[in-house]
Amino acid sequence: GQQVMQIPQYQHVQEGEDFTTYCNSSTTLSNIQWYKQRPGGHPVFLIQLVKSGEVKKQKRLTFQFGEAKKNSSLHITATQTTDVGTYFCAGPPGGGNKLTFGTGTQLKVEL
Amino acid sequence: GAGVSQTPSNKVTEKGKYVELRCDPISGHTALYWYRQSLGQGPEFLIYFQGTGAADDSGLPNDRFFAVRPEGSVSTLKIQRTERGDSAVYLCASSFQARTGELFFGEGSRLTVL
Repeated sequence: GQQVMQIPQYQHVQEGEDFTTYCNSSTTLSNIQWYKQRPGGHPVFLIQLVKSGEVKKQKRLTFQFGEAKKNSSLHITATQTTDVGTYFCAGPPGGGNKLTFGTGTQLKVEL
Repeated sequence: GAGVSQTPSNKVTEKGKYVELRCDPISGHTALYWYRQSLGQGPEFLIYFQGTGAADDSGLPNDRFFAVRPEGSVSTLKIQRTERGDSAVYLCASSFQARTGELFFGEGSRLTVL
């Protein structure tokens, strides 16, 4: 079945440093979504990318969908303590209706 | 309420018992999903409803797990003969539009099987 891997698994940064997480799918995705889960919380939708090579920005967050629609990345510029949490990518295998979530990247930000 | 509501928030049960977990989706959302999340892992798909019917139940681990959504709104996930390995947070999510719509998650039901 489809596998969605993310690297790194963990990342500790100093506040103000940049952060990037990478998402790789074993199959082509019709779209990819990103979610953030704070410690003890539930996943919260951040963004959806649909087009090959698409880039979207939300303030300090930049999301990119690969040309082959099998990978994606999330880049955070100048991290803040409010960015702490686990970031998941998710995509529908084979264009189906269910979302397969990635393994997640846990971000910790130290002052 | 405005969001997805799940009850109970916490359930402790003994091995072999039967449990039911309830999900009340956002009004108007026709798609409803159940996921299971173990500590340190991503949500694992269990089942997806479009309306009243289970459109995809390929993620249910075995026949001890069953879910219903009789009126196309509230859904119940049922687990028979619980095992310690069933311990996890069970997340429900709803979506206005399947396939391309964002998922709105509830707070989850934490199940602990002793």
